[in-house]
Amino acid sequence: DSGVTQTPKHLITATGQRVTLRCSPRSGDLSVYWYQQSLDQGLQFLIQYYNGEERAKGNILERFSAQQFPDLHSELNLSSLELGDSALYFCASSRYRDPQSNEQFFGPGTRLTVL
Amino acid sequence: AQKVTQAQTEISVVEKEDVTLDCVYETRDTTYYLFWYKQPPSGELVFLIRRNSFDEQNEISGRYSWNFQKSTSSFNFTITASQVVDSAVYFCALSGNWASGTYKYIFGTGTRLKVLA
Repeated sequence: DSGVTQTPKHLITATGQRVTLRCSPRSGDLSVYWYQQSLDQGLQFLIQYYNGEERAKGNILERFSAQQFPDLHSELNLSSLELGDSALYFCASSRYRDPQSNEQFFGPGTRLTVL
Repeated sequence: AQKVTQAQTEISVVEKEDVTLDCVYETRDTTYYLFWYKQPPSGELVFLIRRNSFDEQNEISGRYSWNFQKSTSSFNFTITASQVVDSAVYFCALSGNWASGTYKYIFGTGTRLKVLA
């Protein structure tokens, strides 16, 4: 158990809908990262937040957005969902700001299915 | 452009055999970081190792060892005396230069390792 929690575990929704994925980092970790794992695109880094502020963006679509709250939990919002958004979405956390200098701990993921 | 290539899609070995997973990377950054992650059948990602571009020392952790060679842009991962519990998908990843302002974190496509009893 990494100490990172993600809810829900599974989510089934329809095209055009909007969903919110939630992540609680390990105690004491200030950075939260979001990743998408799909059959088509493989593993992709989406975005990082550090202590409430956006720190880095990867391949995140404009239809997607995220935020980190004062209690450090984070939410990933996916809107106008398309079939291709079906994927496993991972959240990870780390103690410090720069991901290359410290280990990331991953949550169990949220499996999103768009029908 | 940055790229990570894991040419081996799937490898099957018999328990106790040694196995090497290949990772070749491309980057123009002089400062970069390489990672290996394990994704067992349960699905969660587990961090295994991080290596920066200035440290070419090989590393050994139990049955795991990593060989970093800048000359060939490779960061290979060897499991000695493989066990069934090593069965998983292994991902190699490359992180770009943070200071450049454009963050890149590129994963390879993964190598599925099956260790047969």
